[in-house]
This record gives sequence, C-alpha cells and structure tokens, in this order.
Amino acid sequence: DIQMTQSPSNLSASVGDRVTITCRASQTIRSWLAWYQQKPGKAPKLLIYRASYLESGVPSRFSGSESGTEFTLTINSLQPDDFATYYCQHYDNYYITFGPGTKVDIK
Amino acid sequence: EVQLLESGGDLVQPGGSLRLSCAVSGFTSRMYGMSWVRQAPGKGLEWVSGISGSGGDTHYADSVKGRFTISRDNSKNMLYLQMSSLRAEDTAVYYCAKARSSSSDGCFDVWGQGTMVTVSS
Repeated sequence: DIQMTQSPSNLSASVGDRVTITCRASQTIRSWLAWYQQKPGKAPKLLIYRASYLESGVPSRFSGSESGTEFTLTINSLQPDDFATYYCQHYDNYYITFGPGTKVDIK
Repeated sequence: EVQLLESGGDLVQPGGSLRLSCAVSGFTSRMYGMSWVRQAPGKGLEWVSGISGSGGDTHYADSVKGRFTISRDNSKNMLYLQMSSLRAEDTAVYYCAKARSSSSDGCFDVWGQGTMVTVSS
C-alpha cells in the first residue's frame, strides 16, 4: 500500500508569511496528487490537482510542485482566510489515500 | 450551481444498519464518479467507497468491505451508502464527493456538507 506522510503536522505562521507544506509518498505516484483545505466544521475544498494545477477559483497565492515522491504546497503571502488544515491526497482512480494533515494556525 | 446534500446520519447501536443518501444537483450525475469520504471526530479524512458514473463499477476501503454498499440512481440524481454491521469506529461525519473529471474518479471538486453517523450503545 502507498503511504502518504505530511510535514509539519502543525505550523504557526503570520499573515504575509510564505508557507510550505510537504507531502511524501512511499513510492512513485507520478502526479496523481491533490491538495485540499479544510476549515473546522466545513467540508474540504480542492486547491490543487495533478500535483500542480490550480483549481478554478482558487487564489493564485496557492501553488503546488513535485520532485519525485515529494510534493509541496506553497502559500505565498498567507492571508487570514488561509488558517486551516491542509491535506494531500493520492488518487489513482479508486485507489485513494489522504495524508494526515497539516494544521496552519496563527503565530 | 453544483450541489450535494447528504442526509440519513443518525445515532445507531453497534451491529445496526443505516442508509445515507446524497442528493445531487447542478450537473449530469451519470457523467461523474462519486465517492463517500468520512472523518472521525478530531481525525483526518478517510476515503470509504466510490462508484463510477454508470454505477457499474464500485470500490471500497478495506475497513468497510463486506459491510457497506454504495449505489446510485441517476434517474433520481441520488447517491447512497448502505451501512451494516456498524462499529464504534465507523463513527464519523460522512461526506459525499463528486469526481472532478469524468476521466479521473479520485479527485473531488465538489463536496456535500456532511452527515454525522454515531455508533454507540
């Protein structure tokens, strides 16, 4: 089974900071990776798909990249609305697994 | 507007059964795969089950295989999850989610608001 890990698990940051969250796959997953944002009591929201494609309507301060089995979500100039938990997700048709999440809170 | 609306969550005893429903609107449901994803209180996301647009192809997480059944009625724009032999560890908010692309069923661009299932005596 493919395992997804995320680091850090928690991150404290200030408005305006550049934030980087890393997701690692236990084996090659090509670019079948998505990133979601979730706020308390709300459903997840798709931010990035195919590792680096920005979902329609998502602010351009969000970006995704990949290098081998390591994937990165970057938030440029963190905004108050960005404090949330972020999950990576590997998907390959119906082989689907989520990372454990990274909570971004206010420093 | 594309919308998903879950219903059917409830408090149920261990060993009991429950059927969740998800009403779909705003898109041609038969063109997209759909899934159920759950989230236990204070925990992360766990994919539970998925079904192809036609309904002919179904998939399950090992944790629910043999206990849960996913189905859909495209004529009614409805998605279902029949849950049986429920366990305490099935306690979670259950979300229905729409595949982003008709050619890739595992990335979800639209989610419902969730329905809570509590398994407890």
